[in-house]
Amino acid sequence: DQQVKQNSPSLSVQEGRISILNCDYTNSMFDYFLWYKKYPAEGPTFLISISSIKDKNEDGRFTVFLNKSAKHLSLHIVPSQPGDSAVYFCAASANTGRRALTFGSGTRLQVQP
Amino acid sequence: DGGITQSPKYLFRKEGQNVTLSCEQNLNHDAMYWYRQDPGQGLRLIYYSQIVNDFQKGDIAEGYSVSREKKESFPLTVTSAQKNPTAFYLCASSWSVATNEKLFFGSGTQLSVL
Repeated sequence: DQQVKQNSPSLSVQEGRISILNCDYTNSMFDYFLWYKKYPAEGPTFLISISSIKDKNEDGRFTVFLNKSAKHLSLHIVPSQPGDSAVYFCAASANTGRRALTFGSGTRLQVQP
Repeated sequence: DGGITQSPKYLFRKEGQNVTLSCEQNLNHDAMYWYRQDPGQGLRLIYYSQIVNDFQKGDIAEGYSVSREKKESFPLTVTSAQKNPTAFYLCASSWSVATNEKLFFGSGTQLSVL
């Protein structure tokens, strides 16, 4: 039972345009969400996070939006750059004493020059 | 330069063989984790450890074993009981498993069966 879902396996956008990556979750106990970026044969690197007490967090070109009622979050990248081409994982942790992250299956972003 | 070092980068396992993946960190983190990534899937938690000499099963612990004799080291053994070991294995660390924080990942080990 996937608790964190990324329903779009891939996304292609033009350089300079906005990339929007989506993530849905089912576990009501999740209260902290993160986005990781991963290149092939490398470990994921942390991008941005958001606590459930907020609905938006911004860091440079990256903004994460959280809609708790819909159990949905999204990552916006503006403007998109070719170096952003990677797999993006959504992750969540729950207030259950064990905060090891639960990951989605990832979305491969391709930014076309 | 602080970070997490995984070795080897590529590893091949024969039938019935146990293999051990190394993970070392110099970030002074208390918590360490092992995740497994299969193609087209997310990362799944195998084992995690909050402190030295203590570790807990994750979601897919069957066929794996770990030890935590030193704070810096968290090796993962893939035993012959793991029938589908081919995957990309990622080690991670953080200050604690009990608080909200990001994980730092190593560069991974690709394990394949001969």
